Amino acid sequence: GNSVTQMEGPVTLSEEAFLTINCTYTATGYPSLFWYVQYPGEGLQLLLKATKADDKGSNKGFEATYRKETTSFHLEKGSVQVSDSAVYFCALILNQAGTALIFGKGTTLSVSS
Amino acid sequence: DAGVIQSPRHEVTEMGQEVTLRCKPISGHNSLFWYRQTMMRGLELLIYFNNNVPIDDSGMPEDRFSAKMPNASFSTLKIQPSEPRDSAVYFCASSSGESQPQHFGDGTRLSIL
Repeated sequence: GNSVTQMEGPVTLSEEAFLTINCTYTATGYPSLFWYVQYPGEGLQLLLKATKADDKGSNKGFEATYRKETTSFHLEKGSVQVSDSAVYFCALILNQAGTALIFGKGTTLSVSS
Repeated sequence: DAGVIQSPRHEVTEMGQEVTLRCKPISGHNSLFWYRQTMMRGLELLIYFNNNVPIDDSGMPEDRFSAKMPNASFSTLKIQPSEPRDSAVYFCASSSGESQPQHFGDGTRLSIL
């Protein structure tokens, strides 16, 4: 079946550290891939997306590259800030009618100063 | 631009009572999604609509749960009768198509005593 697997958290980092959150997927066909972020007490917000192989999505210093050969979409940031503390969700959607986003379980990131 | 609007933001009620959660999607969006989020189960898709028609309700946990979308600008999720295990944050999201990024509301935090 179609699924998304994220590294389990929590991930605890000091400010200005390098961040990687791993995400791999299983899908029939060619999905679009997304990262969503959820700040405390809020709904999910789209962080970045990639719609085809080798695309790189980027936003707010975060990047993720759609790797078809490894079925991965790892999230990276070169220097995290305390304000990046949140839960990050990797998700995919199949580009066909009658389907919806499939989310990973989320990874909690905690950044301390 | 107004985002997805959910009401109420918080609801506390006694078990056995009927609960109605409301959602106004972004104008022009034709897909609407209801999710439930708990610590134990993470983010679960309950049901989604496309052009006001329910497409997939396989995530609705029991017959106690029902959802309607009488028009393009309004949807409800009803729980009757409510039980303590229904306590969760319920999110509504909308998108301009099934395969497009979803925009989330701020959620309704439901507590059933």
